[in-house]
Amino acid sequence: EIVLTQSPGTLSLSPGARATLSCRASQNIGGIYLAWYQQKPGQAPRLLIYGAYSRATGIPDRFSGSGSGTDFTLTISRLEPEDVAVYYCQQYGRSPPGWTFGQGTKVEIK
Amino acid sequence: EVQQVESGGGLVQPGGSLRLSCATSGFAFSNYQMNWVRQAPGKGLEWVSFISGSSSTIYYADSVKGRFTISRDNAKNSLYLQMNSLRAEDTAVYYCARVETYYSFYYMDVWGKGTTVTVSS
Repeated sequence: EIVLTQSPGTLSLSPGARATLSCRASQNIGGIYLAWYQQKPGQAPRLLIYGAYSRATGIPDRFSGSGSGTDFTLTISRLEPEDVAVYYCQQYGRSPPGWTFGQGTKVEIK
Repeated sequence: EVQQVESGGGLVQPGGSLRLSCATSGFAFSNYQMNWVRQAPGKGLEWVSFISGSSSTIYYADSVKGRFTISRDNAKNSLYLQMNSLRAEDTAVYYCARVETYYSFYYMDVWGKGTTVTVSS
């Protein structure tokens, strides 16, 4: 089973700063097999990125995804107060079939 | 507008049962695969179960296999999760999530607000 490890655990930055969130897979998962979700306090998760770099409908272009193989990155180019949330990466495995998530990165505003 | 509304959560004793429902609207439910995902208090996301559009393919996480049963009623645009032999570690918010496909990658593009299940004596 593939394990996703996210870092850092918590990211505390000023408004307007660039946030870089990492997701590392325990095995090569290819170039498009990763999604990112945002979960604001008290809310359900929301899809941000699928296929490693494709933005979901309605997601601002300050959010971008990159990476392939075992190392993936979610970048928030200019942090805004409404970006305070926990961000999760997700992959889909075929053997056994199922979905796994990273443990999450919490983004805070200084 | 695409909507998914979960219901059926509550307080149940260990060993008890509960049936969750997810009512959907705004999209062709029968054309979509669906997941249940849960989140224990203060913890991360955990996938629970998957069902294909025709109910022909079903998967479960090892943590719930043999205790939980996923099903759907396409005529009612609804998804269900029958939970038996509940344990304290099943305490969580349970979300229904629509599954979308990008090439051979499966991800979840629409989530409900969740329903809370508490297993405690």
